[in-house]
Amino acid sequence: ILNVEQSPQSLHVQEGDSTNFTCSFPSSNFYALHWYRWETAKSPEALFVMTLNGDEKKKGRISATLNTKEGYSYLYIKGSQPEDSATYLCAFPNTTFFDRGSTLGRLYFGRGTQLTVWP
Amino acid sequence: NAGVMQNPRHLVRRRGQEARLRCSPMKGHSHVYWYRQLPEEGLKFMVYLQKENIIDESGMPKERFSAEFPKEGPSILRIQQVVRGDSAAYFCASSLGTDVYNSPLHFGNGTRLTVT
Repeated sequence: ILNVEQSPQSLHVQEGDSTNFTCSFPSSNFYALHWYRWETAKSPEALFVMTLNGDEKKKGRISATLNTKEGYSYLYIKGSQPEDSATYLCAFPNTTFFDRGSTLGRLYFGRGTQLTVWP
Repeated sequence: NAGVMQNPRHLVRRRGQEARLRCSPMKGHSHVYWYRQLPEEGLKFMVYLQKENIIDESGMPKERFSAEFPKEGPSILRIQQVVRGDSAAYFCASSLGTDVYNSPLHFGNGTRLTVT
């Protein structure tokens, strides 16, 4: 079982604040890291698939960075808005399964960071 | 709606009954994954299927649980003789391909199973 850790578990910020949170994953045999956004009563929605060390991806006010050598990824939200309130999940593919000749199969999810943005 | 469709949204079963959860993947997707979220826990992988094949069922309990993805029709997750510990949210996801670098999962809204 791969250990994917996210911190903090929850975060409360005021509208307009910028915020960031962390996903830690095993640094050996890295292939990719996924970020998902999960709003209450909806389904998780993919934000980014990150693959290269040092990569930075951006989608509107949300961006993510990746450090595969030390095994972490940061998600940043600039100028948080109430509609950003959601649980943000990161996920790491099962590399053992990858070695057996398949590609994307099982994803190990972190427990998420629950973000609440107060107006 | 071309998204991943799951039904029912809510399912209540008495102990010992069978639960059947359905998932229609996104149009054009032939890879289906089932995940379970137990109370106070994260998403846990259960099974990965392609059309007519189970690729990885290592996350599925050995007894009472089965999954299929027939040539025609939705994927079905079947839980026989349900127990209270099966109460959870069950999410289905699909992907277009299996390239780990470029294939995010597309999730359905989940089925919330309550066993009374």
